[in-house]
Amino acid sequence: RKEVEQDPGPFNVPEGATVAFNCTYSNSASQSFFWYRQDCRKEPKLLMSVYSSGNEDGRFTAQLNRASQYISLLIRDSKLSDSATYLCVVTPFTGRRALTFGSGTRLQVQP
Amino acid sequence: DGGITQSPKYLFRKEGQNVTLSCEQNLNHDAMYWYRQDPGQGLRLIYYSQIVNDFQKGDIAEGYSVSREKKESFPLTVTSAQKNPTAFYLCASSHNEQFFGPGTRLTVL
Repeated sequence: RKEVEQDPGPFNVPEGATVAFNCTYSNSASQSFFWYRQDCRKEPKLLMSVYSSGNEDGRFTAQLNRASQYISLLIRDSKLSDSATYLCVVTPFTGRRALTFGSGTRLQVQP
Repeated sequence: DGGITQSPKYLFRKEGQNVTLSCEQNLNHDAMYWYRQDPGQGLRLIYYSQIVNDFQKGDIAEGYSVSREKKESFPLTVTSAQKNPTAFYLCASSHNEQFFGPGTRLTVL
């Protein structure tokens, strides 16, 4: 079983739609959680950290469910510029702060 | 501007050659990392360094080597022992969150 699993998509949605991605992780000792965005042939860029209480940044909302070991990302009012691959990322345990990445979910927002 | 630079952007190598990928950061971060990404896959950790003169193997270290003689620099050598080196290589550094360089695309001819 992969440490971090995501639906690869693609998710094809019209502009203005609301879309949600889920991600599950296998290590219950995971410490920190993030969503990164990666454009085609570019480096990943941090979109947002994910906190236990949930957090929102504009049109983006992230949630963490430790009991069920999943993380979600909700994008409201999708824009064409949101088209990218969204990577779910966890820090597996203390002492090694390197990140474990999911394979990513591809989003294509269509006009 | 503060950031992470990687060079070269594209690199072509013949089989049997060693090549070294450069990574420099001026963010004053202690920790630095090397990942590789294959098409349609997530990033996999090759090596990481949490402090100067110290580094640790990641999940796929075989066929790679690194050094960390300066805080700003963390070069990665892809040796001839790496069986399938064609990939996108990403360097990152962190204080808390990780920031990535623009990457190097290595192709073995």
